[in-house]
Amino acid sequence: GQQVQQSPTSLVLQEGENAELQCNFSTSLNSMQWFYQRPGGSLISVFYNPSGTKQSGRLTSTTVIKERRSSLHISSSQITDSGTYLCAGGSNYKLTFGKGTLLTVTP
Amino acid sequence: ETAVFQTPNYHVTQVGNEVSFNCKQTLGHDTMYWYKQDSKKLLKIMFSYNNKQLIVNETVPRRFSPQSSDKAHLNLRIKSVEPEDSAVYLCASSSGKGGSDYTFGSGTRLLVI
Repeated sequence: GQQVQQSPTSLVLQEGENAELQCNFSTSLNSMQWFYQRPGGSLISVFYNPSGTKQSGRLTSTTVIKERRSSLHISSSQITDSGTYLCAGGSNYKLTFGKGTLLTVTP
Repeated sequence: ETAVFQTPNYHVTQVGNEVSFNCKQTLGHDTMYWYKQDSKKLLKIMFSYNNKQLIVNETVPRRFSPQSSDKAHLNLRIKSVEPEDSAVYLCASSSGKGGSDYTFGSGTRLLVI
């Protein structure tokens, strides 16, 4: 089965609203990471979060290893937050990615 | 500037041709990767190299061959391209098995016609 499952597939918000992105992963994966990708753009690391909660500005990531889940919370969304958010689990010199959440923030 | 550099950005070629993509990292990392991002945007590992040694080969067709001259370079050659090879190829690097310093290049978009 799929080792990394992300939800939702897509999300449309009005500027200022909050977003909650979810990632569930199999037991064979650890060291969860979140990446951001603009259309046609490279991947930019958002969080490396193997466990616990990390915050950077308006972004917060929480990983609960025992429950095999990780989340990314975006507060007070801005138009520039639009793009694809990918979660990935690490194992033995490779990352396994989810299918991503396409976030669109409208004025 | 320290980063992962890929060339070319974009390449169009015909079925059956050979193509080569270059990747260089100036971050001092010892592990480099090639990932493929298909039309549905799903990213999948192809190869991992640690200090020039192949570590991961994720059931990639034999027409794909990675080449590493030193730990800062990892190129990718495709001997005889097929239409399903059309995708974005992303090179990345990290220290060790991969952690908080995972860094991706800007990608090479391949279109096979």
